[in-house]
Amino acid sequence: DGGITQSPKYLFRKEGQNVTLSCEQNLNHDAMYWYRQDPGQGLRLIYYSQIVNDFQKGDIAEGYSVSREKKESFPLTVTSAQKNPTAFYLCASSPWGGASGYTFGSGTRLTVV
Amino acid sequence: AQSVTQPDIHITVSEGASLELRCNYSYGATPYLFWYVQSPGQGLQLLLKYFSGDTLVQGIKGFEAEFKRSQSSFNLRKPSVHWSDAAEYFCAVVPYNTDKLIFGTGTRLQVFP
Repeated sequence: DGGITQSPKYLFRKEGQNVTLSCEQNLNHDAMYWYRQDPGQGLRLIYYSQIVNDFQKGDIAEGYSVSREKKESFPLTVTSAQKNPTAFYLCASSPWGGASGYTFGSGTRLTVV
Repeated sequence: AQSVTQPDIHITVSEGASLELRCNYSYGATPYLFWYVQSPGQGLQLLLKYFSGDTLVQGIKGFEAEFKRSQSSFNLRKPSVHWSDAAEYFCAVVPYNTDKLIFGTGTRLQVFP
């Protein structure tokens, strides 16, 4: 079945360490997105990519980095510069244009101690 | 400012009762409109979407939503709620001429037997 796979489901890291969250899709979607979810704040866009080797900052990109070397993959790195990295991270993808709606992965909960 | 507003943070209903979740948007041109549902610790599932045409949209799980241009609203309804509907519900928009999905802050639905 086609879908989006995020791994791992839970991730623990020490403060000051970089960590990379994986997102893979086999839907042949052109666009991929990373969102951060905090209680009471909904989902906020971190980065998005509409095509391989190209990506744009979303609303809260500071302290994060991404790459899009393959259509299927859009990993997110949470760097030590991110002041409050503990959150639930969701990856999504959509056909080009996005108007048909996004398909979401099941999320990664990152806890930094 | 452009925004998506869900005025109700938390709603509690009895099983079998009707449900209406409110969503208002503030954009110059009518955006594409979506409702998503999220179970705890999970990703988001698309319930329904509106692009144009009939203003009453049918979705999955017995949900429907009505687009009212005059009120800039896209409220979600269900005639009879089931205990399994307890979850968080997000209204979202793709503004005209973009492909970024912008979320409201969500409404948490609790269902009592």
